Amino acid sequence: AQSVTQLGSHVSVSEGALVLLRCNYSSSVPPYLFWYVQYPNQGLQLLLKYTTGATLVKGINGFEAEFKKSETSFHLTKPSAHMSDAAEYFCAVSEPVGNYGGSQGNLIFGKGTKLSVKP
Amino acid sequence: NAGVTQTPKFQVLKTGQSMTLQCAQDMNHEYMSWYRQDPGMGLRLIHYSVGAGITDQGEVPNGYNVSRSTTEDFPLRLLSAAPSQTSVYFCASSYRTGREGYTFGSGTRLTVV
Repeated sequence: AQSVTQLGSHVSVSEGALVLLRCNYSSSVPPYLFWYVQYPNQGLQLLLKYTTGATLVKGINGFEAEFKKSETSFHLTKPSAHMSDAAEYFCAVSEPVGNYGGSQGNLIFGKGTKLSVKP
Repeated sequence: NAGVTQTPKFQVLKTGQSMTLQCAQDMNHEYMSWYRQDPGMGLRLIHYSVGAGITDQGEVPNGYNVSRSTTEDFPLRLLSAAPSQTSVYFCASSYRTGREGYTFGSGTRLTVV
């Protein structure tokens, strides 16, 4: 079964500093990869995704992530943190659904990283 | 607006009670799923469905039932609530391949006392 590891349950950066949130997955076959953001007491919002093609993926709010197959990583970055980026971030991979051919159905999530941004 | 609608947003149950969490989507997504979110655990898959009439278990299915009689609806039933089921529940949907990403509802916060 797939697994997703997010290094660091809490990350704190200063406003204007680089944001780097780490994500590694266990699959030997390139899966679909996602980053979601969750603001307090809200649902999950898709930040960006990698399915095929270009390995550097740009998302909303200035975030981007790079798929590195050799490192089985999909780290999330943003050049300059803003106070509004404070939230919890989840990395997720999809895996094929058992007997239902053609369906990348199930998302497997990491445990999340809470990002704090200091003024 | 198109999306995933979950009801209720909040619920308090007594141990042993049953209830149904509702989830509906209007995007004609084939795939729907239920997750629970607990502090420090991320989101864990409870049950999923790849289409009407087809459901299957995820990582943590015990104590929950689902059915999928229509494309739009995917209710989650708690048969006999236990304090261990205190959690935030999210419903998600996507097209069959999952390439476009998954749309999440706003969640149901359930407390079992």
